Amino acid sequence: QQQVRQSPQSLTVWEGETAILNCSYEDSTFDYFPWYHQFPGESPALLIAIRPVSNKKEDGRFTIFFNKREKKFSLHIADSQPGDSATYFCAAASSFSKLVFGQGTSLSVVP
Amino acid sequence: GPKVLQIPSHQIIDMGQMVTLNCDPVSNHLYFYWYKQILGQQMEFLVNFYNGKVMEKSKLFKDQFSVERPDGSYFTLKIQPTALEDSAVYFCASSPLTGGYAEQFFGPGTRLTVL
Repeated sequence: QQQVRQSPQSLTVWEGETAILNCSYEDSTFDYFPWYHQFPGESPALLIAIRPVSNKKEDGRFTIFFNKREKKFSLHIADSQPGDSATYFCAAASSFSKLVFGQGTSLSVVP
Repeated sequence: GPKVLQIPSHQIIDMGQMVTLNCDPVSNHLYFYWYKQILGQQMEFLVNFYNGKVMEKSKLFKDQFSVERPDGSYFTLKIQPTALEDSAVYFCASSPLTGGYAEQFFGPGTRLTVL
């Protein structure tokens, strides 16, 4: 089943808190897991991505945690800023194939 | 960073008409994609294209849809005839490698409204 499930649908955090966004998948052939963010009226942009050879990937305030056994991965945004407010999409892909996107999480960071 | 351009940004047409959405991918990219996003929902893959051929397409890529990139010009998505359910934002993406996990760069989207 080539589906990616994402939760929560919306999330509000205070400035400085850590936002946690979750995704799960079923297809064992998926081996690339990127996170994109999308601001209203703009195109999606890649934030960070992970391959299952590792279970953690950090880039500044953004960290992906990956659990291959449970087929789950999450995005942690540390020290959230109001400028982080956007819709975040997780995605998954198999070699040489298309991205399958989650349903999106609308993140609001309140000052 | 690299930019994918899409023309037009908005298109309003009557049901049954033909529409062509244009994408100007990043110049050295080799793989091209179309995704469809209905308001408030996730992007869904339509088709990818490499070396003049469709490599993979989804169930959303109906018989009324076609793609081409004649002579390295725009990568186009044509819908003929259009239906009400084709109303959505269509995103073009391109990536620089022949496969694997190269980042897909997305264009700003074309908002298609079918009346």
